[in-house]
Amino acid sequence: DSGVTQTPKHLITATGQRVTLRCSPRSGDLSVYWYQQSLDQGLQFLIQYYNGEERAKGNILERFSAQQFPDLHSELNLSSLELGDSALYFCASSAYRQPDSNYGYTFGSGTRLTVV
Amino acid sequence: AQTVTQSQPEMSVQEAETVTLSCTYDTSESNYYLFWYKQPPSRQMILVIRQEAYKQQNATENRFSVNFQKAAKSFSLKISDSQLGDTAMYFCAFMKHLFNNAGNMLTFGGGTRLMVKP
Repeated sequence: DSGVTQTPKHLITATGQRVTLRCSPRSGDLSVYWYQQSLDQGLQFLIQYYNGEERAKGNILERFSAQQFPDLHSELNLSSLELGDSALYFCASSAYRQPDSNYGYTFGSGTRLTVV
Repeated sequence: AQTVTQSQPEMSVQEAETVTLSCTYDTSESNYYLFWYKQPPSRQMILVIRQEAYKQQNATENRFSVNFQKAAKSFSLKISDSQLGDTAMYFCAFMKHLFNNAGNMLTFGGGTRLMVKP
């Protein structure tokens, strides 16, 4: 267990629908990141939240949105789903660490979304 | 913006032999970090090794080592004494230097699929 919890692990839904992916960061981590991994490709950065505020935004579609709540968990909302949105969605969390570490970057196990 | 390129989509190696995975990157930053992540069939992202750009010494973690050439913007991963459990996708990743507590995003390459053969 990495300490980052993502739910659900698997999700199958139809085109046009809306889903919500949830992420609980590692205890004490203030930053949450969302990444999308399409089939056998690299991870693409979507968005970062830090202590409840949006910090950085990547190639996130307008149909996608996210937020981070006061308890620091985060949700990624995907709407008007298309077949091409099928992917593995990773959440990661981090906090500042001393240089002799991996900078506190910890990945969850991902949510596999299948749009049919 | 940063880009990370892995030019070898697939590689294979015999068990107990050595293999090197290539990675090049492009950035205008002078302070940054480089990482290799392993993604086995379970899809979990596992940190293999990291390198701080300000360090000239190449990082080593047991059977894994890197060849970091800052001027050439090259960051290759060498796996010695390959084991069947090393079979996975390997991703090279870049992170800008941290100037605050908020952390930074990772920019990933497209990955190299490594197959270790018995």
